[in-house]
Parts: sequence; C-alpha cells; structure tokens
Amino acid sequence: RKEVEQDPGPFNVPEGATVAFNCTYSNSASQSFFWYRQDCRKEPKLLMSVYSSGNEDGRFTAQLNRASQYISLLIRDSKLSDSATYLCVVIVYNQGGKLIFGQGTELSVKP
Amino acid sequence: DAGVIQSPRHEVTEMGQEVTLRCKPISGHNSLFWYRQTMMRGLELLIYFNNNVPIDDSGMPEDRFSAKMPNASFSTLKIQPSEPRDSAVYFCASRGQEFSTDTQYFGPGTRLTVL
Repeated sequence: RKEVEQDPGPFNVPEGATVAFNCTYSNSASQSFFWYRQDCRKEPKLLMSVYSSGNEDGRFTAQLNRASQYISLLIRDSKLSDSATYLCVVIVYNQGGKLIFGQGTELSVKP
Repeated sequence: DAGVIQSPRHEVTEMGQEVTLRCKPISGHNSLFWYRQTMMRGLELLIYFNNNVPIDDSGMPEDRFSAKMPNASFSTLKIQPSEPRDSAVYFCASRGQEFSTDTQYFGPGTRLTVL
C-alpha cells in the first residue's frame, strides 16, 4: 500500500463547477500536510498547507481528518486556469522530515 | 530572488553514457532534495541532504546513481552508466529549516532522455 494515495482522475469538469479531491495517508505519525499544484511540464508548487481546523484560500478549501487519516481539497467556481495536477503531500517527522507525495489527481476544466 | 536553479534543462544521451545533473539551491536553505518523476511512478524522492550531509538515500534506485553536495550552494546527481529506464524528469528542491514545516521549493527540472 502506498503511503499517500489519491484518485488519479482525470476529473473533467465544466467551468464554474465545484470539484473535490481526496487523499488518504497510511502513517499515523504524519504531522504536516500540504496540497501542491503541478502544471504540465512544470515543477510542483505549493498551493496551500492543510491545518487541523481546516483552512480556506479564496476558492480553495482544505480539510484534514486525523482520525480517518484523510485530507481533502475543494475547489469552488472552477476556472480554466485551475487545470493541473494536484498533489497531496505529507511530512512524517519520524522519517527524517521528508515530504511524501501522492501520485496526483489530474483536473481538466472545460469551457 | 533566484529560485532553485537546475542544469541542464534537457539532456539527451545514449545508453551507457555518464550523466551529471546539477542543482543550486536557494541561498540560505539548508536542505536539498532530489526527485525523479515519471508517468508510471509519479514523483519519487531519491535522496536528501541536510547541511550538506546525506540523510536518506533509500530512494536511490541502484549503485549507478550517486549524489553529492560538496557545499551549501551546489549539488550533483550522477548516473553512470545511464539506461533507457532512467529517462524521466529530475527535480531538485530546497527547504529552509531542518524538520520544519517550511515548504520545499522546486527547480524547473532536468528532462533526461536516454536512448
């Protein structure tokens, strides 16, 4: 079983739609969580951190459920420019603080 | 401010040749990571350094791969001899504080093709 698992998609949605991505992690010692975005043929870039209380940044909302070892990302009113791959990332400090990446979920927003 | 710098951006080589990828982390960052990304396997951590010291190289696929960080501003990843299955995008990333929640900043990557 992979340490961080995501639905690879692709998710094909129309502009304006709301879309949600899920991610599960296996190591209960995981302590920090992030969503990264990767555009085609580009490097991954931090989208947002994920806090226990949940956090929102404009149209993006991230949630963490430690009991279920589950992270989510909600995108409201999706734009064409949201088309990218979204990577779930976990830091496990008892593994030296390295980032562990999920396989990514591909999103395609259509006009 | 300059981000993470990688060179070359593209490399095409023949099987059996030595390949050297280079990375300059963000000034002041003390952690450096090498990743490999393919369609099949996604983003894989190969090795990372804290304060120029290799901490975890468990992701290095085999002895053909080696990485060095002779100083805080430079690292290399070497493949010798290269094989077609090494074809991938290799990313370098740096981070500001050891064992912190500071995010990693990725370089633009080196797209390697081994024929």
